[in-house]
Amino acid sequence: KQEVTQIPAALSVPEGENLVLNCSFTDSAIYNLQWFRQDPGKGLTSLLLIQSSQREQTSGRLNASLDKSSGRSTLYIAASQPGDSATYLCAMGSGYALNFGKGTSLLVT
Amino acid sequence: GAVVSQHPSRVICKSGTSVKIECRSLDFQATTMFWYRQFPKQSLMLMATSNEGSKATYEQGVEKDKFLINHASLTLSTLTVTSAHPEDSSFYICSASVSGGAGETQYFGPGTRLLVL
Repeated sequence: KQEVTQIPAALSVPEGENLVLNCSFTDSAIYNLQWFRQDPGKGLTSLLLIQSSQREQTSGRLNASLDKSSGRSTLYIAASQPGDSATYLCAMGSGYALNFGKGTSLLVT
Repeated sequence: GAVVSQHPSRVICKSGTSVKIECRSLDFQATTMFWYRQFPKQSLMLMATSNEGSKATYEQGVEKDKFLINHASLTLSTLTVTSAHPEDSSFYICSASVSGGAGETQYFGPGTRLLVL
């Protein structure tokens, strides 16, 4: 079964700092990888979707990369803002459903 | 486009009662809907996959007689938690995809928070 690990579990940064969130997975046979944002007590907001044939996707200040050979993905957030504070989840589409990591809780102060 | 709603958004019930949660695809037809559960500080875990007009497929460890899933139309799936207990308190999120194919995009609902007293 696909195991998805996110490091760090929590992160606190000052406003304006660039940061990287990490996600690793055990099975490279994936269809796609998706990054979500979850605010406290709320549902999921899809941020970026990378198909297995792609290496990265960009949306505004966000950039996500995918390296299947090493089983890793990163989410880069440029010029962080207090409004970026949330939990960020990565999820692997390796079958019909998604396998989620536990998330990284980000606080921008 | 591709909006999924859930109702209710929050529910509190007494132990032993049953609770029904609805998941609707508002602007597309969803052959397949997925039900996930998220405990505090944990990741979303898939509970079951439902296809319109057929029985749901449950993940290992999920009691099918306790979590009843009905996917009677292409826009509606329901999850009924029967005889709910405090340990069933969780955040339940559904997602929907057009055809349910492997790797197909899923659209998530806003979730339902269940608290069983």
